Amino acid sequence: DAMVIQNPRYQVTQFGKPVTLSCSQTLNHNVMYWYQQKSSQAPKLLFHYYDKDFNNEADTPDNFQSRRPNTSFCFLDIRSPGLGDAAMYLCATSLTGGTQYFGPGTRLLVL
Amino acid sequence: GESVGLHLPTLSVQEGDNSIINCAYSNSASDYFIWYKQESGKGPQFIIDIRSNMDKRQGQRVTVLLNKTVKHLSLQIAATQPGDSAVYFCAEFTGNQFYFGTGTSLTVIP
Repeated sequence: DAMVIQNPRYQVTQFGKPVTLSCSQTLNHNVMYWYQQKSSQAPKLLFHYYDKDFNNEADTPDNFQSRRPNTSFCFLDIRSPGLGDAAMYLCATSLTGGTQYFGPGTRLLVL
Repeated sequence: GESVGLHLPTLSVQEGDNSIINCAYSNSASDYFIWYKQESGKGPQFIIDIRSNMDKRQGQRVTVLLNKTVKHLSLQIAATQPGDSAVYFCAEFTGNQFYFGTGTSLTVIP
C-alpha cells in the first residue's frame, strides 16, 4: 500500500545534541511537509517542499532545517534541540498542494 | 494566519449515539475543507472532505455539512463506536495552504 513512513517512531536526544528525523513516501507526491505537534494542540506547519522548492514558515526557528534529496525522502534536522522542542513531528505529503496525507509521526523526547 | 476554530474542545457520547463535531472558519474565500481523525500517538488520518460548491457530503457513517453563510462546518458520525474515540481536526484550504483547527476530543462511553 502507498504510504508515508516516518523513522524512528520514538527518538530520544540530549539537550543541544543534533538530531535528524526522516520521512519517506511511496505515494509519488511532489509536496512534502513537516509539522510540529505539541500535546492537545493542532499540528503547526514548520516548512514544506514543493518539488525541490523549499518554503519556510515565517515563525519557524532557525534551529529547524530540512533536506529533500529526492522525491521520496525528506529529513528534518534539529541543530540544537531544546526542552521546548519535545513534541510529535509529523510528515505529510500531497499532490500539488491538495489533500495532505500524514505519516504516523516521530515523538521526540529531549533530556 | 487564518482562524479555524472548534466550538467545543471535548465531547462525550454514548456508544451507538450520533456525534456532531462543529468547526467555525473565518475565510469566506476558502474552497476546500477536510476532517481529520487523530488517535493517540498516531498521525492525523483523512476522514472526509468537501468543496465549497457543496453543502453536504456523505461517507461511511460520516457526513460533513458546510454552511457557507455562517462559515460553519460540521462532522456527523452515525452510531458512534469506541473506535471513534480520537481528536478530530477540521482543516481549511486557502490558496495553497491548510489551516488546522484546534481539535475536538471525542470520547465514546461504552
